[in-house]
Amino acid sequence: EDKVVQSPLSLVVHEGDTVTLNCSYEVTNFRSLLWYKQEKKAPTFLFMLTSSGIEKKSGRLSSILDKKELFSILNITATQTGDSAIYLCALTGTSGTYKYIFGTGTRLKVLA
Amino acid sequence: NAGVTQTPKFQVLKTGQSMTLQCAQDMNHNSMYWYRQDPGMGLRLIYYSASEGTTDKGEVPNGYNVSRLNKREFSLRLESAAPSQTSVYFCASSEALTGYSGNTIYFGEGSWLTVV
Repeated sequence: EDKVVQSPLSLVVHEGDTVTLNCSYEVTNFRSLLWYKQEKKAPTFLFMLTSSGIEKKSGRLSSILDKKELFSILNITATQTGDSAIYLCALTGTSGTYKYIFGTGTRLKVLA
Repeated sequence: NAGVTQTPKFQVLKTGQSMTLQCAQDMNHNSMYWYRQDPGMGLRLIYYSASEGTTDKGEVPNGYNVSRLNKREFSLRLESAAPSQTSVYFCASSEALTGYSGNTIYFGEGSWLTVV
C-alpha cells in the first residue's frame, strides 16, 4: 500500500536554528514528491521534486530527493518565527489510480 | 486571480442535517479533489475527479457524495451529517492527476465544519 511518513511529527526550535524535516515513502510508479507549507489556512506550494540528487532551493529553504532510499528532506536555515507552520509532503503515482497522497505533516514552531 | 474558491468558510450543522460544500476553480484544471484534515491525520482524500464527468472514491468516502457539475465546479455533499464529520475540508485542483513536471495541486482556503 502506498504511504508517506513524515518525521518528526513536531519540532520546536529557536530563531536562527537550522531544521531538517524528513519525508519517507513507499509508492508504486513514483512520479513526483511535493512539499507544502500550511499556516492558518490552505497549504501553499514550496517544491516539486522528480529527480534524485537535484537540490531545489528557494531562499532559506531547500529540498532534495533520494529515489534509491525513498525519502526527501526539507531544510530550513536561519529559521524565523514566520517559518512556524505545518510542512506537508505529498506523493503522486500509485498503481492503477493516480492521486496525491499526503503525509501527516511536521508541525514546526520557531520561538523568538 | 481567484484560484480555487470554496464556500462556505464556516458552518455549524446539527446531526442528521445535510449540506453541500461548493468549490470552483478558474485555472482550467482538469482534476479536482476534496480532502478533509483532522489533527494528527494529515490530509485525507475523500473523493476526486480526474476530469469533467468522472468521479472516484478516495481514502475516506463514506458519508459523502460529490458532483462534478462542469469543468470548473466540484461539490461535496453530506447527506446526513455526523459528529465524526467535524473537520476542515479543502477543495483542490490540478492540471491533471499525474505528477508530471510542472503539475502542482492548488488548494482552496478551507471550510470549517462543525457537527453538533
